[in-house]
Amino acid sequence: AQTVTQSQPEMSVQEAETVTLSCTYDTSESDYYLFWYKQPPSRQMILVIRQEAYKQQNATENRFSVNFQKAAKSFSLKISDSQLGDAAMYFCAYRSGGGSNYKLTFGKGTLLTVNP
Amino acid sequence: NAGVTQTPKFRILKIGQSMTLQCTQDMNHNYMYWYRQDPGMGLKLIYYSVGAGITDKGEVPNGYNVSRSTTEDFPLRLELAAPSQTSVYFCASSYAGAGTQYFGPGTRLTVL
Repeated sequence: AQTVTQSQPEMSVQEAETVTLSCTYDTSESDYYLFWYKQPPSRQMILVIRQEAYKQQNATENRFSVNFQKAAKSFSLKISDSQLGDAAMYFCAYRSGGGSNYKLTFGKGTLLTVNP
Repeated sequence: NAGVTQTPKFRILKIGQSMTLQCTQDMNHNYMYWYRQDPGMGLKLIYYSVGAGITDKGEVPNGYNVSRSTTEDFPLRLELAAPSQTSVYFCASSYAGAGTQYFGPGTRLTVL
C-alpha cells in the first residue's frame, strides 16, 4: 500500500519570503500522480498543484512550484513571495495511475503560518 | 459554477440515530468519492462510485452506506451513529483518468 509522509507538522514564514514544505511517499508503482491541496480555516480543500510522475519537468502554478525527485520519492512544495492568504493546512496526496478507484492517499498535513 | 455541494454544513447526532449526508456535483463527473477527516489527520476514503449504479468500498466503510442513482448525486448514509463517526466528511468528484478531484465544502458531524 502507498504511504505519504509529511515530516513537518508546522511551519512558519514571514510575509514576502519563501518557504518549502516537504513530502515523501512510498510506492512500487511507476505510473502515479502527486498533488498538493490547501485547506484554509474555511475547511474547503483547494487544489494547489499537480504533478504527473511521467513528466520530468517540475509543475509550476504562479507562486507555487514543486521539486519532484522521482528516484528519491520526494515531492516538496515551494511557496514564493508568501502572502497572508497562504496561511492554511497543506496536504500532500498520492494517486495511482492505474487501478479502479483512483483514490487519493493523504499525508497528515503541514500547518503553515504566515507572519506579517 | 456550483461545483460540488454538500448539505448540511454542520450536524449533531445522538448515538444510535441515522442520517444522510447529501452530495451533488454539476460537472458531469463520472467518479465520486466520500472521505472523512479526523482531527490532525489527512482524509481517508469511505466509499466511491465510478458511475450511476456502481459503488464500492474504500478504506473505512464500516458504519456507512451509499447509493448512486444519478450521475449528479452521491448520498452517504450513517446508520446507528457512534461517537467514532465524529469527523468532517468531504465529498469529491473527478473524471476517470483525469486525476484531479474537486472537493465540496465538507460537513462537520458530531455524535454525542
